[in-house]
Amino acid sequence: GAVVSQHPSWVICKSGTSVKIECRSLDFQATTMFWYRQFPKQSLMLMATSNEGSKATYEQGVEKDKFLINHASLTLSTLTVTSAHPEDSSFYICSAPTGADTQYFGPGTRLTVL
Amino acid sequence: QKEVEQNSGPLSVPEGAIASLNCTYSDRGSQSFFWYRQYSGKSPELIMFIYSNGDKEDGRFTAQLNKASQYVSLLIRDSQPSDSATYLCAVNGAGGGFKTIFGAGTRLFVKA
Repeated sequence: GAVVSQHPSWVICKSGTSVKIECRSLDFQATTMFWYRQFPKQSLMLMATSNEGSKATYEQGVEKDKFLINHASLTLSTLTVTSAHPEDSSFYICSAPTGADTQYFGPGTRLTVL
Repeated sequence: QKEVEQNSGPLSVPEGAIASLNCTYSDRGSQSFFWYRQYSGKSPELIMFIYSNGDKEDGRFTAQLNKASQYVSLLIRDSQPSDSATYLCAVNGAGGGFKTIFGAGTRLFVKA
């Protein structure tokens, strides 16, 4: 199957700092990528759709100024959590669709904000 | 009503048995249905997708879809301890495309 990578796999930061998470499609081009957040024992919640060459589309309730998304190329999307706070601690997962309507997930980034 | 509902479990089955996982969805116009497996601390991995009513088999896995009942299930035959994970049901909406709604998942334990 298609390969999607994320970096870093985990990060610990102090409250108030910003954290950037990268999502790359390694063997295919992705004009669209998705960013999800998953809290413990809960399901994946779609945060935003990242579009190459245009602005991201955010889901209701997700602050676009706090979660900055940049789709820099056909293989890279970044999510920056600005001024992170402990309640932003979560598992962040990106995905990219490959044809049809299936999508492949990156390995996830576990963010802990102290 | 949640858009995609699953029994949270845990569902416990003995090794070698059939595990049956169920999911219902609210959007009658949904087009595509997926089962993902998620191990603790890992991201989901796609097991199967199904688009048409009926059964779809892939190895030990069988997905079943009944659009009239808005119901999709996953059967795992000859369950193995390595199958122990959370299984996420996911549905793409009536508009097609890639916006996927996930259920909360069912935790499966396969006892050796």
